[in-house]
Amino acid sequence: AQSVTQPDIHITVSEGASLELRCNYSYGATPYLFWYVQSPGQGLQLLLKYFSGDTLVQGIKGFEAEFKRSQSSFNLRKPSVHWSDAAEYFCAVGGGLTGGGNKLTFGTGTQLKVEL
Amino acid sequence: GAVVSQHPSRVICKSGTSVKIECRSLDFQATTMFWYRQFPKKSLMLMATSNEGSKATYEQGVEKDKFLINHASLTLSTLTVTSAHPEDSSFYICSAGGFLNTEAFFGQGTRLTVV
Repeated sequence: AQSVTQPDIHITVSEGASLELRCNYSYGATPYLFWYVQSPGQGLQLLLKYFSGDTLVQGIKGFEAEFKRSQSSFNLRKPSVHWSDAAEYFCAVGGGLTGGGNKLTFGTGTQLKVEL
Repeated sequence: GAVVSQHPSRVICKSGTSVKIECRSLDFQATTMFWYRQFPKKSLMLMATSNEGSKATYEQGVEKDKFLINHASLTLSTLTVTSAHPEDSSFYICSAGGFLNTEAFFGQGTRLTVV
């Protein structure tokens, strides 16, 4: 069974500082990996996704993530955080074309707080 | 990207009544939709997979008689919470698959409060 671990429940960074949110996954084959952001009371917005190819993926809002198969990780990064980035971030894994890239298993989320 | 619309965004109902939540894919056809439940400060848990023209597939531990799912067309899936109780209060989110199932598009979510 597939699973996702986000080790950090809460992270606080200063505005302008760099950010890295950790994500580790467990999946038997090549996974489809996603990062979503959720503002309070809102749905999910896709930041970026990885299926294959270049292991460094660029997303929206200046985010990027790197797929490292050897570490089963897909960490999210941003070089300079803005106050508007404060939100809940979810890493998710899907099963690909056969398993369904849209049937997702989510991590428990990381709450990002940005200090001005 | 594709748009998934979920309605209502917020609903309050009395204990014992039923509530219907709609999930529509506005600009694409979705043979499969998914329903998730999110508890406060928790992750999203998949409840069921909604299949157009056939019965939904429920995840282990989800009561199919309480959470009725209907997927009558390629653009609409509904979740009905029957005989709602306060413990059913939660945030419910639907998603629909994109081209080649490579991405899920999420609705805005529905905040259900049972009083």
